[in-house]
Amino acid sequence: AQSVTQLGSHVSVSEGALVLLRCNYSSSVPPYLFWYVQYPNQGLQLLLKYTSAATLVKGINGFEAEFKKSETSFHLTKPSAHMSDAAEYFCAVTEGRTNAGKSTFGDGTTLTVKP
Amino acid sequence: NAGVMQNPRHLVRRRGQEARLRCSPMKGHSHVYWYRQLPEEGLKFMVYLQKENIIDESGMPKERFSAEFPKEGPSILRIQQVVRGDSAAYFCASSPNLDGYTFGSGTRLTVV
Repeated sequence: AQSVTQLGSHVSVSEGALVLLRCNYSSSVPPYLFWYVQYPNQGLQLLLKYTSAATLVKGINGFEAEFKKSETSFHLTKPSAHMSDAAEYFCAVTEGRTNAGKSTFGDGTTLTVKP
Repeated sequence: NAGVMQNPRHLVRRRGQEARLRCSPMKGHSHVYWYRQLPEEGLKFMVYLQKENIIDESGMPKERFSAEFPKEGPSILRIQQVVRGDSAAYFCASSPNLDGYTFGSGTRLTVV
């Protein structure tokens, strides 16, 4: 079975500061891991994904995430926050072809960026 | 490439009416997923379909909800006899290869 825990439902940072959004997962097989961003009243946009290649994954908008098997983590980071990064972020896990790509999502982290 | 198209964007139904939500996947994507997002919550899986087949409906409520993806036309999520608790955002996603989705903008259902 697969599950995701996002630590911290709300994160607030100042513009220019480091962004760190935490995600821990559980999976019975090597997982595929994803981060999505959702702006108000919109769908989810894929930021980046880990599918068993390089453990450090670079995504769009300057975000990256590192897969750490020993810690069962896939935290999302960005060195310098922009006002436009304010949104809700979801971590998701899937067991890939073993469950037909069905993803389990975390409850989301709302990122606020202060000027 | 028009992306995943969902309509309507907003839908208001009175209790007891039927709601029909439509989703056209991206061109070339044969895997369609429906998710529901309740207020202040993450997305919950409902159903996974391929053309003319329901592959996994383990997240669908046992009654009143059904989904289809016909050979021609969009995928349809149908909710019969809606209740207030059905009010949510319903998202469709499509995938070519099971390792990441493209989401539509969602249908926000309000039951009054």
